[in-house]
Amino acid sequence: KNEVEQSPQNLTAQEGEFITINCSYSVGISALHWLQQHPGGGIVSLFMLSSGKKKHGRLIATINIQEKHSSLHITASHPRDSAVYICAVWGNNNDMRFGAGTRLTVKP
Amino acid sequence: KAGVTQTPRYLIKTRGQQVTLSCSPISGHRSVSWYQQTPGQGLQFLFEYFSETQRNKGNFPGRFSGRQFSNSRSEMNVSTLELGDSALYLCASSADRGKVFGPGTRLTVL
Repeated sequence: KNEVEQSPQNLTAQEGEFITINCSYSVGISALHWLQQHPGGGIVSLFMLSSGKKKHGRLIATINIQEKHSSLHITASHPRDSAVYICAVWGNNNDMRFGAGTRLTVKP
Repeated sequence: KAGVTQTPRYLIKTRGQQVTLSCSPISGHRSVSWYQQTPGQGLQFLFEYFSETQRNKGNFPGRFSGRQFSNSRSEMNVSTLELGDSALYLCASSADRGKVFGPGTRLTVL
């Protein structure tokens, strides 16, 4: 079993829909990252969380340390949100472990 | 502020050769970390450098090595290339745990 599990693997939505991507992890962490990767490979760090909730524009990320679970929400989704979203945890040993990613397609 | 730069962007090598990839972090960032991304294994952590010292290392064979210079620029080296080393190699720089990723170097081993 992977130490970082994401669901769903693939997600197709219509423009305007509310989207949730989930991440569960089994190791102790000091921080969790949500990354966005567009075709072509470039990765953008969306959020770094160690507790609670963060919001940036239409994106919201939450983390529950006790339940070892984080969610990434996208409100009013748009075709430009189509990308792979990757959950990554910063372990207590200062190493980083990654989920397999969620491929999001938003159709107009 | 200039972003993280990686050179070269694309590289084709043959089995048995060695390769050196370069990463220039954002000015002022002292930490550089390296990652390998393949379709089969996804993203995997290679190593992290801080102030010229390797701070952590992922689970990769000794053929993968790296170093960091006094200006925080970092290089990673892969010796005796194997077909399975074909991947996108990403570096990221950070001032704290927040990371800024470079565009990556796509290495193809033939």
